[in-house]
Amino acid sequence: QLQLQESGPGLVKPSETLSLTCIVSGGSISSSSYYWGWIRQSPGKGLEWIGSIYYSGSTFYNPSLKSRVTISVDTSKNQFSLTLSSVTAADTAMYYCVRQGLAARRFFDYWGQGTLVTVSS
Amino acid sequence: EIVMTQSPATLSVSPGERATLSCRASQSVSSNLAWYQQKPGQAPRLLIYGASTRATGIPARFSGSGSGTEFTLTISSLQSEDFAVYYCQQYNNWPHTFGRGTKLEIK
Repeated sequence: QLQLQESGPGLVKPSETLSLTCIVSGGSISSSSYYWGWIRQSPGKGLEWIGSIYYSGSTFYNPSLKSRVTISVDTSKNQFSLTLSSVTAADTAMYYCVRQGLAARRFFDYWGQGTLVTVSS
Repeated sequence: EIVMTQSPATLSVSPGERATLSCRASQSVSSNLAWYQQKPGQAPRLLIYGASTRATGIPARFSGSGSGTEFTLTISSLQSEDFAVYYCQQYNNWPHTFGRGTKLEIK
């Protein structure tokens, strides 16, 4: 059974960089059939897709966040990561890592349990 | 980006009755539409993809329909575990976008 687990600091100061990692178990992140992505959820904006990455390193980002977001993959550790720079209170949210299919199957079929990130001094 | 609009925001239904939830896209998304269920303290769970295909393990009382810009999620006979928030999501265009959700509550 595929499992995704987010990890990272729960508190980040304004203007600093948020960094999260998602460890994938029960399956290979190097599968040619999937993207791996990040989604966040806040009361203000609801569910927001942040971006996705293919095992080769190809990335797709939400234009609303693209200037601040980097998603990377480490196939040797079967994990992928999110960095979000210059955070503000508006970046306070629950962050989920997800698995996403390709082409006509680009829905999100597996989700991590989520990690709450608060931006505050 | 494509805006997804869900209605109603809250739906009150009695157990055993049918619930019908709506989702509208600001432009055609073909059949590239998914539905998710979220319970308090949990991550969303995939229910339906391709507008009408149930995900693995999803009971037959959940059904989806529609194409283009208008979609419906129907729960034929509500069970206690079905009271939750439901989201639609389009994956036809990048960026993928979600609706704001419909909260299904016990009447």
